[in-house]
Amino acid sequence: AQSVSQHNHHVILSEAASLELGCNYSYGGTVNLFWYVQYPGQHLQLLLKYFSGDPLVKGIKGFEAEFIKSKFSFNLRKPSVQWSDTAEYFCAVNARASYDKVIFGPGTSLSVIP
Amino acid sequence: DAEITQSPRHKITETGRQVTLACHQTWNHNNMFWYRQDLGHGLRLIHYSYGVQDTNKGEVSDGYSVSRSNTEDLPLTLESAASSQTSVYFCASSESRTSDTQYFGPGTRLTVL
Repeated sequence: AQSVSQHNHHVILSEAASLELGCNYSYGGTVNLFWYVQYPGQHLQLLLKYFSGDPLVKGIKGFEAEFIKSKFSFNLRKPSVQWSDTAEYFCAVNARASYDKVIFGPGTSLSVIP
Repeated sequence: DAEITQSPRHKITETGRQVTLACHQTWNHNNMFWYRQDLGHGLRLIHYSYGVQDTNKGEVSDGYSVSRSNTEDLPLTLESAASSQTSVYFCASSESRTSDTQYFGPGTRLTVL
């Protein structure tokens, strides 16, 4: 069965610090990969996604993620965080053989201190 | 603008009662999903539907049911609410069966006393 792990449960950073949130998945086949974000009091929304092509994917608000197939990883990065990046971040994986069943990781809570 | 709405946004109920959570989307998406969000578990899939009259069980379906009588709505019913079902419930929809982006509703916070 597919599973998704996220390295950190809670991350605290100061503004302007660099961010990297780890995500690993377990599935041997072809996958689609997502990062979703949930700002306080708001809906989950898509941050970025990888389906194929360039393994370095750029998303909204200056976020990017790199798919490393050999490591089964899809880490999220941002060079300089802002207070407004405070949110819950979820990595998600879909095995292309299982249509739209997306498996979510447990989430990482990011707190950015002004 | 297209959207996905959930009602109620907050609900308190008692153990053993039947509860129905509504989900309505105006995206005209075929695929709809129900998740529950619990601390340390992320989002777990309860039920999903690929179209009218189609329903499927997710990883945590026990004690829940859904029905899909039209494209827009996928109500989630807790047959006999239990304290373990206290959670935040999210509905989502997506367009295609090749795993497109999911669009989420605002969530329903359910407390079972």
